[in-house]
Amino acid sequence: KQEVTQIPAALSVPEGENLVLNCSFTDSAIYNLQWFRQDPGKGLTSLLLIQSSQREQTSGRLNASLDKSSGRSTLYIAASQPGDSATYLCAVEKNFNKFYFGSGTKLNVKP
Amino acid sequence: EPEVTQTPSHQVTQMGQEVILRCVPISNHLYFYWYRQILGQKVEFLVSFYNNEISEKSEIFDDQFSVERPDGSNFTLKIRSTKLEDSAMYFCASTGGSYNSPLHFGNGTRLTVT
Repeated sequence: KQEVTQIPAALSVPEGENLVLNCSFTDSAIYNLQWFRQDPGKGLTSLLLIQSSQREQTSGRLNASLDKSSGRSTLYIAASQPGDSATYLCAVEKNFNKFYFGSGTKLNVKP
Repeated sequence: EPEVTQTPSHQVTQMGQEVILRCVPISNHLYFYWYRQILGQKVEFLVSFYNNEISEKSEIFDDQFSVERPDGSNFTLKIRSTKLEDSAMYFCASTGGSYNSPLHFGNGTRLTVT
C-alpha cells in the first residue's frame, strides 16, 4: 500500500519568506503527484500536477519538484503572503484515478 | 471556471438512517470520485466511477455504500444504516480522464451522525 508522509506537520513563517514543504511516498511506481491547498471547512483546490515523467512544475510563486526514484516531492513557495495560510496536501496517484493523500502541512504566514 | 458542486453542505442524521449525498461534477468530465476525511485524519479514497460503473473501490466502501449517476449530471453517494464512525467530510471529485488531468474537488458535505 502506498504511504504518503508530509513534513513538517505545521509551519509558521513571517510574511515574505521563501519556504519548502516536503512530501515522501513509499512506492515510486506512480502516475502523477498533485499538490492541493485546503482552507478550513472547504474543499481541496488543485495547485500543481506533476506527471511521473516530469521533474517539476511551476505556477506563479509555486514550484513543485518530483524525484520519483527516491519517492520525494517538494513544494516551494516564494515570497509567502498571509493569504497563503492554509493546509497543503500532497497526493500520489498510485493506480490510475486512485489518489493517496498525506496528512498535510498547516502553514501560517504572519503579517 | 467550472466547479464541482455538492449538496447539502452539512447533513445531520441519526444512527441507522440512510443518507444521500449529492454532487454535480464538471460537465465534460468523465471520471467521478468520492473521498472522505474524518476530522483530524487524512483524505481517504472511497470509490471511482466511470462509464456508469464503479472502476475501483477501497476496503472502506463496503455494502453499506453505493454510488449512482441517475441522470447524466448528478453523482450520488448513498450510505445505508449510518454509524457514528461515518461522521466525516465527504468530498466529490472529477477529472477529465487523461493522465495529466488534475483532480477537481467540491467543497464537501459534512456528515454528522448522532
